[in-house]
Amino acid sequence: DGGITQSPKYLFRKEGQNVTLSCEQNLNHDAMYWYRQDPGQGLRLIYYSQIVNDFQKGDIAEGYSVSREKKESFPLTVTSAQKNPTAFYLCASSTGWGYEQYFGPGTRLTVT
Amino acid sequence: GQQVMQIPQYQHVQEGEDFTTYCNSSTTLSNIQWYKQRPGGHPVFLIQLVKSGEVKKQKRLTFQFGEAKKNSSLHITATQTTDVGTYFCAGPMIYNQGGKLIFGQGTELSVKP
Repeated sequence: DGGITQSPKYLFRKEGQNVTLSCEQNLNHDAMYWYRQDPGQGLRLIYYSQIVNDFQKGDIAEGYSVSREKKESFPLTVTSAQKNPTAFYLCASSTGWGYEQYFGPGTRLTVT
Repeated sequence: GQQVMQIPQYQHVQEGEDFTTYCNSSTTLSNIQWYKQRPGGHPVFLIQLVKSGEVKKQKRLTFQFGEAKKNSSLHITATQTTDVGTYFCAGPMIYNQGGKLIFGQGTELSVKP
């Protein structure tokens, strides 16, 4: 089946630790995105990538880092510099500019 | 900067009542997309409108794109409990920025049986 997978579904970490969230897609999409969603809030863009080995900061990139070494994969690292990391993280992909985005099931990160 | 505003933020209806959410952009959009996110789930693409004045229907859902391509609406006729969730509209940035979409804040729909 084609789609986007994110793992794990739930993740718990202690404050001060870096954590990497996985995002894999087999849709052959060029563009991939990371969003953060807080309770009752909309989607805020963290990072996006148009093509392998290239990515740009979104609206709230501070405290996050990404890599795009393979077309299928776009992992997100939440660093200890992110002041409020507890949130629902969504990965998405699309064929390109202006096209619909397909979202993964998300990872709920809790940092205590 | 380019913004997409969505109203209302919340809507509570009795099952069987109609529901409408409105989306307004600060700039002309090449297209408007609608997504639905069920409670605890992830956004799922519903539809894309491209043409000025376009109207599309999906069963009880009617989507409209304004003549000026700056506003859109989603209307649900005779809501059911399965309609519960948050509905987002989204439009592409006017400059090529990796397919970046600007999402509205969403309208959360609750349906009382």
